[in-house]
Amino acid sequence: SQELEQSPQSLIVQEGKNLTINCTSSKTLYGLYWYKQKYGEGLIFLMMLQKGGEEKSHEKITAKLDEKKQQSSLHITASQPSHAGIYLCGAERFRTDKLIFGTGTRLQVFP
Amino acid sequence: DTGVSQNPRHKITKRGQNVTFRCDPISEHNRLYWYRQTLGQGPEFLTYFQNEAQLEKSRLLSDRFSAERPKGSFSTLEIQRTEQGDSAMYLCASSLQSNQPQHFGDGTRLSIL
Repeated sequence: SQELEQSPQSLIVQEGKNLTINCTSSKTLYGLYWYKQKYGEGLIFLMMLQKGGEEKSHEKITAKLDEKKQQSSLHITASQPSHAGIYLCGAERFRTDKLIFGTGTRLQVFP
Repeated sequence: DTGVSQNPRHKITKRGQNVTFRCDPISEHNRLYWYRQTLGQGPEFLTYFQNEAQLEKSRLLSDRFSAERPKGSFSTLEIQRTEQGDSAMYLCASSLQSNQPQHFGDGTRLSIL
């Protein structure tokens, strides 16, 4: 089973709609990173969360880490075609710098 | 402002050949990471360096794989006697220090014929 589960696996929304992507860990998260990836390209860093209950926003994207530090959500308000891509959460465990990634959520936004 | 640079972007080779990829991290980033990503999956950790020291290696990194960062700046990842299963996107990332965001390059896509 995956150590880090993302849901949904894919999402198709109409432009202007809000959406939420979830990332759930089977173990306590030391740090949680959200990235966006366009097909065939590298990962673009979005946000980093480290404290339980932490919430960060950038433009129309908000990410939260729950108090128990085992679940994170990424919320996009008023989606645009430029938001389309694959969203990946990456977990950092205690005393290791490597990131463990979920399988990603593919987002499509149609006009 | 230069990000992480990877070369080549694409590599097509025959099974059994050796290949080498290069990664140039963001200047002053002392941590450098290698990941591998196959279609429909998230990246999988391979190894990472702090300066020139290789600190951790994944079990995915068989003895056919070797990574170096000789002067603590750029890094190379070599795969010897390539196999079909080595076909993947190889991603490099760098960070300023521990617990800081890792910034990724655009990857090297390896295809084994």
